Amino acid sequence: AQLVESGGDLVQPGGSLRLSCLASGFTFSNYALHWVRQTPGKGLQYVSAISIYGNNTYYADSVKGRFSISRDNSKNTLYLQMSSLRPEDTAVYYCVMSTLWGQGTRVTVSS
Amino acid sequence: EIVLTQTPLHLSVTPGQPASMSCRSSQTLLQSDGKTYLYWFLQRPGQSPQLLIYEVSSRFSGVPDRFSGSGSDTDFTLTISRVEAEDVGFYFCMQTSHYRTFGQGTALEIK
Repeated sequence: AQLVESGGDLVQPGGSLRLSCLASGFTFSNYALHWVRQTPGKGLQYVSAISIYGNNTYYADSVKGRFSISRDNSKNTLYLQMSSLRPEDTAVYYCVMSTLWGQGTRVTVSS
Repeated sequence: EIVLTQTPLHLSVTPGQPASMSCRSSQTLLQSDGKTYLYWFLQRPGQSPQLLIYEVSSRFSGVPDRFSGSGSDTDFTLTISRVEAEDVGFYFCMQTSHYRTFGQGTALEIK
């Protein structure tokens, strides 16, 4: 089982970015999926989650209204659409399935 | 939100000596199904987190038996019976009894 994130980049405040997470080695459509971010200062923060069929989602208060999680079970891919990005969104973003973590993708929000 | 408080934040241990770290929850993690969804992870430098212990005390496949987890309700402990050089890294607890939250982590270094 493996999770591979992509899409991290340097973006200006107010900008947008879409992260992707490609899964392999397990039945993707059987699992809820999560995004967790990590910063040296704030540690690990649970960002968002999506149910098996995508009909239920969760967002941390700090990203509600700005981030949108989605999944494409036919492509074994999880997404995180991030908009109105702020400097405090700077972090390494991990895709997580149960207790399996991807390698992370770095998002830097700075002018 | 369930808050997990880890102590200590830093540990410096001589190889061959034991080490232990605590994770305390602001609410009981015992669920109505009788299970307690408390996990321990190790994040080695430059790597993604790897599962060590699940449901308080079950060692994940391939994890050396020098690692053990214990505790109940709100108080949990990860113990390394004899620290080795490869154990250096960032240890954190995670609960999934109510959404997901994380401890601040314990940085283990070798003396």
